[in-house]
Amino acid sequence: GAGVSQTPSNKVTEKGKYVELRCDPISGHTALYWYRQSLGQGPEFLIYFQGTGAADDSGLPNDRFFAVRPEGSVSTLKIQRTERGDSAVYLCASSSNKGADTQYFGPGTRLTVL
Amino acid sequence: KQEVTQIPAALSVPEGENLVLNCSFTDSAIYNLQWFRQDPGKGLTSLLLIQSSQREQTSGRLNASLDKSSGRSTLYIAASQPGDSATYLCAVRGNTPLVFGKGTRLSVIA
Repeated sequence: GAGVSQTPSNKVTEKGKYVELRCDPISGHTALYWYRQSLGQGPEFLIYFQGTGAADDSGLPNDRFFAVRPEGSVSTLKIQRTERGDSAVYLCASSSNKGADTQYFGPGTRLTVL
Repeated sequence: KQEVTQIPAALSVPEGENLVLNCSFTDSAIYNLQWFRQDPGKGLTSLLLIQSSQREQTSGRLNASLDKSSGRSTLYIAASQPGDSATYLCAVRGNTPLVFGKGTRLSVIA
């Protein structure tokens, strides 16, 4: 079946602009996760949804970052007033249940802020 | 705060060798540990997941072990192949959904 998909695959924007990154999880997966990966580093947790609600947003770096999952499926990560330090690969993952199950990752969106 | 360390950072071996990648974590209160593979410019592919109650998991030429009390896991790759070249990431699931190490970059030379 289809895996996790993310769009766009690449996004180049200018400092101060607003961007939206989209994640389509595996059908039927209730848990959805966003991570951010900088060059040479492992992914860092941003936010986790169980259904429509954000169960844990402790990894969001500041209030410029926000994510939604209004119908419990597709999620959008929103970044306001982008800064050059936001440049990274943003990864989305989904799993069928919290905690016990394997997380399946999408290919990521590479965000470059000029 | 959970910290995950992977040693070595990079490894180069000739084809056919058996090899071991190491992962250590500071907080033993975990639900599970997962090993991933990441190819350049790509997302992560899950290789093995070990629940906290388990000691090891095997898939083909891969075997992962977990010693929760000492905060260690190893990934054993048998009879390595050039197609195994990638970065291998270890991640633990505790109170935070997955804390990752920085990975081990593996090169298998034909």
